Amino acid sequence: GAGVSQSPSNKVTEKGKDVELRCDPISGHTALYWYRQSLGQGLEFLIYFQGNSAPDKSGLPSDRFSAERTGGSVSTLTIQRTQQEDSAVYLCASSQDRYGPQHFGDGTRLSIL
Amino acid sequence: GQQVMQIPQYQHVQEGEDFTTYCNSSTTLSNIQWYKQRPGGHPVFLIQLVKSGEVKKQKRLTFQFGEAKKNSSLHITATQTTDVGTYFCASRGLSNDYKLSFGAGTTVTVRA
Repeated sequence: GAGVSQSPSNKVTEKGKDVELRCDPISGHTALYWYRQSLGQGLEFLIYFQGNSAPDKSGLPSDRFSAERTGGSVSTLTIQRTQQEDSAVYLCASSQDRYGPQHFGDGTRLSIL
Repeated sequence: GQQVMQIPQYQHVQEGEDFTTYCNSSTTLSNIQWYKQRPGGHPVFLIQLVKSGEVKKQKRLTFQFGEAKKNSSLHITATQTTDVGTYFCASRGLSNDYKLSFGAGTTVTVRA
């Protein structure tokens, strides 16, 4: 398909484990965003990539969170030593450039036991 | 970051009625976007407004950007069950053109 693809769709893990979430943006989209959405809440900005660089990491909640993007395409969001408050839906979005509308993936629902 | 406030947080509407949801900012916005998220789904882009006083229509949905570019509204006429979901406004400030700050959303339910 031509949309933003995220994997896994669901992830259940024990507290203290590391998790890696993947986002495959729409081909040709240079801008990529990660958001976090807790149940019934709005979208919390985490990080923005333009190409492979991340000029804005201001939204990452702690140093346990990191993200990278390679080849101007796929991005991974890594959470180390997960805690229960990390439970949420993690959404990835891409846009053709930094001005345009964002196209979202279906998200990864992360549950920390 | 840019803060936008959305009101109301919840809107319970009788099918066939009209309603309006509002998005307000204390600072001037460069543009504003609206997204719709169906229950269990992801946000889907609806529209972008850029010009002061701009009005755009999509079928039964009317979007407006205030003259001072500090507020926006979404008006839905003759609400249908397909309108159920959460509507988010998202804004960019004048000095930051890549970061969208999302409002908390208006969650709409419809009674038949």
